[in-house]
Amino acid sequence: DGGITQSPKYLFRKEGQNVTLSCEQNLNHDAMYWYRQDPGQGLRLIYYSQIVNDFQKGDIAEGYSVSREKKESFPLTVTSAQKNPTAFYLCASSSDRVGANYGYTFGSGTRLTVV
Amino acid sequence: AQSVAQPEDQVNVAEGNPLTVKCTYSVSGNPYLFWYVQYPNRGLQFLLKYITGDNLVKGSYGFEAEFNKSQTSFHLKKPSALVSDSALYFCAVRDISFGNEKLTFGTGTRLTIIP
Repeated sequence: DGGITQSPKYLFRKEGQNVTLSCEQNLNHDAMYWYRQDPGQGLRLIYYSQIVNDFQKGDIAEGYSVSREKKESFPLTVTSAQKNPTAFYLCASSSDRVGANYGYTFGSGTRLTVV
Repeated sequence: AQSVAQPEDQVNVAEGNPLTVKCTYSVSGNPYLFWYVQYPNRGLQFLLKYITGDNLVKGSYGFEAEFNKSQTSFHLKKPSALVSDSALYFCAVRDISFGNEKLTFGTGTRLTIIP
């Protein structure tokens, strides 16, 4: 079955460390997205990419970085500059090809905790 | 710009009663509208969408939503609530006139079905 895989499911980060969250999709979707979700809050867009080797900042990009070297992969790095990284991170993808959903397909999320 | 409002943070419904989760939107052009559901520690799952055509859209798990252009609303409904419907629900909109694939999400409504 096609879908989006996020790993790891749980991640613990020490103060001052960079950590990378993985997001892989086999849906042949062109666009990919990273969202942050805090308890009791909605989704906030961190970064998105509509094509390989190109990406744009979302609403809360500070302290995060991404790459899009392959269509299938869109890893997110949480840098030490992100002062409050504890949150639930969601990756999504979308396509506008004929027959597509026109919405997003989401991964199952990564819960990042600073220890 | 596109935006979505979910005016209720929390909705409580007795099991077996009808339920409604409200959503209003704002776009410059024509909207694509979506409902997603999120269970604890999981990604968002697609429930239903309005793209064009019949204003009443039927989706997964017996849910339906009605697109009302004059009231710019897309309320989620179900005739008879189940305890298993308890979850966090997100409405999302995409303005197709901008030619972008980005969805804008509401802040979410927590639905609790009381046995």
